[in-house]
Amino acid sequence: DIQMTQSPSSLSASVGDRVTITCRASQGVSRSLNWYQQRPGRAPKLLIYGASTLPSGVPARFSGSGSGTDFTLTIASLQPEDFATYYCQQSYSTPFTFGQGTNLDI
Amino acid sequence: QVQLQESGPGLVKPSQTLSLTCTVSGGSIGSGNYFWHWIRQPAGKTLEWIGRIYTTGGTSYNPSLRSRVTISVGASNNQFSLNLDSVTAADTAVYFCSRGTTVGESAYWGQGILVTVSS
Repeated sequence: DIQMTQSPSSLSASVGDRVTITCRASQGVSRSLNWYQQRPGRAPKLLIYGASTLPSGVPARFSGSGSGTDFTLTIASLQPEDFATYYCQQSYSTPFTFGQGTNLDI
Repeated sequence: QVQLQESGPGLVKPSQTLSLTCTVSGGSIGSGNYFWHWIRQPAGKTLEWIGRIYTTGGTSYNPSLRSRVTISVGASNNQFSLNLDSVTAADTAVYFCSRGTTVGESAYWGQGILVTVSS
């Protein structure tokens, strides 16, 4: 299985801050890397797919980059609704695997 | 707009079979190039991919669960199911179904259903 390691595990920030979360794969996954946002008690929401593509409706303050083994999720200017847990997921090979999550709080 | 909804018992006894159904509205399981996934999340932990079934019926399972898991499509073609045999307390989790593309991401998810394994 491909192991996904996120850092940091938790992050405290303020509204308006720029934050970056990193995700490292134990082996190359090309650009088959997705990011999800999850609020407590809710299903994950797709934020970015293919390492850098935003689905329709996702605000442009979210961006993703990387390829191979190292990836980043950046939120340009934190909004109150962005405080949640973020997961990376590789979809390069089955079993699909997720990072351990990054809890972003105020 | 595609919507998914999980259903099934919220409490299962140890050693029994966990059976869940995902009902899809706004689309048909048999149309389009999509995978239909089951994913679970124990309380306070990360997400674990259980397996998927393709539009044509082909399946792929997580090796850690393969000996106990079956994913199938229902006769109505707007439902797919998860069976997990011989459950233990370690199978207690929120179970999600989702629709994924051939590239791999899942843009549509059910709300999740909590299944507790306890006698």
